[in-house]
Amino acid sequence: DSGVTQTPKHLITATGQRVTLRCSPRSGDLSVYWYQQSLDQGLQFLIQYYNGEERAKGNILERFSAQQFPDLHSELNLSSLELGDSALYFCASSPQHGNTEAFFGQGTRLTVV
Amino acid sequence: GENVEQHPSTLSVQEGDSAVIKCTYSDSASNYFPWYKQELGKRPQLIIDIRSNVGEKKDQRIAVTLNKTAKHFSLHITETQPEDSAVYFCAAPSNFGNEKLTFGTGTRLTIIP
Repeated sequence: DSGVTQTPKHLITATGQRVTLRCSPRSGDLSVYWYQQSLDQGLQFLIQYYNGEERAKGNILERFSAQQFPDLHSELNLSSLELGDSALYFCASSPQHGNTEAFFGQGTRLTVV
Repeated sequence: GENVEQHPSTLSVQEGDSAVIKCTYSDSASNYFPWYKQELGKRPQLIIDIRSNVGEKKDQRIAVTLNKTAKHFSLHITETQPEDSAVYFCAAPSNFGNEKLTFGTGTRLTIIP
């Protein structure tokens, strides 16, 4: 157990819908990352928050948004879902920035039908 | 931003032989280089990391070497075992002050019994 909790574990939804993925980082970790992993693909960086502020942005679609709350948990919102959004979404947390170990949650498997 | 290239994308080795995976990075300011292992359907987990003040680090059958001049680092697995079969990802921090952790595209390692 990494200490990073992601909910839900699985999500099946229809095209055009909106979903929210939730991540609770390890206790004390200030940095939260979101990654997308499509079938047999690598880890695509979406966005990073540090202590409530957005710190880095990857190739995140405009239909996607995220935020980190005062209690440091984070949510990734995916809207106007398309079939191609089906993937495993990982959240990771670290104490500081990118120069320390990142601990991954178990991921949320999103299936868009 | 950081560009991390990883080779090879797939690697098959006979059980007991050694495996080597290489990564290059572009941001000369990067100072932390982790390697993650992802088993099928599971989250990535850190197996070894190295900081820029050392050239090599070992942990039992696993070692990482770093060449800062050439901006590349490698993962070495000796005496490979079936349980080493997985996808391996390298990573390097980027953005100002080592903020975002960028991952390579992954190497699928298969150990042939």
